[in-house]
Amino acid sequence: GAVVSQHPSRVICKSGTSVKIECRSLDFQATTMFWYRQFPKKSLMLMATSNEGSKATYEQGVEKDKFLINHASLTLSTLTVTSAHPEDSSFYICSARVGGLGSPLHFGNGTRLTVT
Amino acid sequence: GESVGLHLPTLSVQEGDNSIINCAYSNSASDYFIWYKQESGKGPQFIIDIRSNMDKRQGQRVTVLLNKTVKHLSLQIAATQPGDSAVYFCAETYDKIIFGKGTRLHILP
Repeated sequence: GAVVSQHPSRVICKSGTSVKIECRSLDFQATTMFWYRQFPKKSLMLMATSNEGSKATYEQGVEKDKFLINHASLTLSTLTVTSAHPEDSSFYICSARVGGLGSPLHFGNGTRLTVT
Repeated sequence: GESVGLHLPTLSVQEGDNSIINCAYSNSASDYFIWYKQESGKGPQFIIDIRSNMDKRQGQRVTVLLNKTVKHLSLQIAATQPGDSAVYFCAETYDKIIFGKGTRLHILP
């Protein structure tokens, strides 16, 4: 149980274009999902908390107009990287949890974004 | 930012030996801790968790120890196997889950 699916697994786009990444909870409902970013050989950095039916909460230093998050249903959150630049190239990972604060996050398998 | 850290970036262990991976956390208000395993190109995989009202928890081949006095967490893997090769992250939770910097575990034949 508690499977999180992320799509696409890899995407290459040109500078200036936008890319949408989907995160789905397959066998549970997630009112809250979390988006992380990971640089090579680095840890996961929390970007934002996605809340179903309301605005996402962004971490300090993360541009909300750059990284648009939509959580329209209890099983789907999307992250759109707008006007992508090469420095946006990274590994983006979404996660969700079945219970509340004292329960583990379950992660998708990530999306490798390369901006050329 | 990364508020959880104190690690060996790389740990090499002989196959069959026990591995101990350490982590220090920064927030004394954190009340829930998790160890994750991440293989190359994949998302983190849950290994084991522990709440702040405990100091030890055992799973299958893994044990997590929590020392709240010095804000230290460790993961012990018994009889390390080649499939244990990965990067291991500790994570602390107060109002959100924050990850440490990670330790890459190499298994020597």
